[in-house]
Amino acid sequence: GAGVSQTPSNKVTEKGKYVELRCDPISGHTALYWYRQSLGQGPEFLIYFQGTGAADDSGLPNDRFFAVRPEGSVSTLKIQRTERGDSAVYLCASSLQGGKNTEAFFGQGTRLTVV
Amino acid sequence: GNSVTQMEGPVTLSEEAFLTINCTYTATGYPSLFWYVQYPGEGLQLLLKATKADDKGSNKGFEATYRKETTSFHLEKGSVQVSDSAVYFCALSRTSNTGKLIFGQGTTLQVKP
Repeated sequence: GAGVSQTPSNKVTEKGKYVELRCDPISGHTALYWYRQSLGQGPEFLIYFQGTGAADDSGLPNDRFFAVRPEGSVSTLKIQRTERGDSAVYLCASSLQGGKNTEAFFGQGTRLTVV
Repeated sequence: GNSVTQMEGPVTLSEEAFLTINCTYTATGYPSLFWYVQYPGEGLQLLLKATKADDKGSNKGFEATYRKETTSFHLEKGSVQVSDSAVYFCALSRTSNTGKLIFGQGTTLQVKP
């Protein structure tokens, strides 16, 4: 595709429910990142994939959050037992190969609202 | 720990005014520094970057110089346009083998005609 695609663009769920957020990165990009952005704040790192493996998951806030990238392309962020504090915009980014000098390309995000 | 601090917004300027958005960072080692911009209704996109001390990143008339002595990466533009209205994020990347970004809180710029 032309850019990073995230679906859905908006998700409203009830407290306690399970949600899945999908990210389709730019074709050929081996590095994939998830970030969370609360209102009025900058994005905060959640997890980084290099290929199929989660190379750095140090930003996941607790064990209710989990992400997968089984074939090294599409990734899914999974949140169990959602809480109102999980409400935020979840951003996905991809880059050609990772590394500190590499440009990251961001999707438009999924706005998650937990009611 | 590693962190980025930006000047608080919103910043409101008239068209053709000079822009400075301050950014300072705290990091060990030699991070790479970035400015990302988010235009209304769009995703974050890279505006410019600098990967070592004294480097100057530039794009679309914007510039920022990596100053290690003052741990700063201030964004400047000589003459802003209404189309520059957006949220600007300063960020650093320290870990060479991941590329994860640490962002500042963002500065909203509004340019009036």
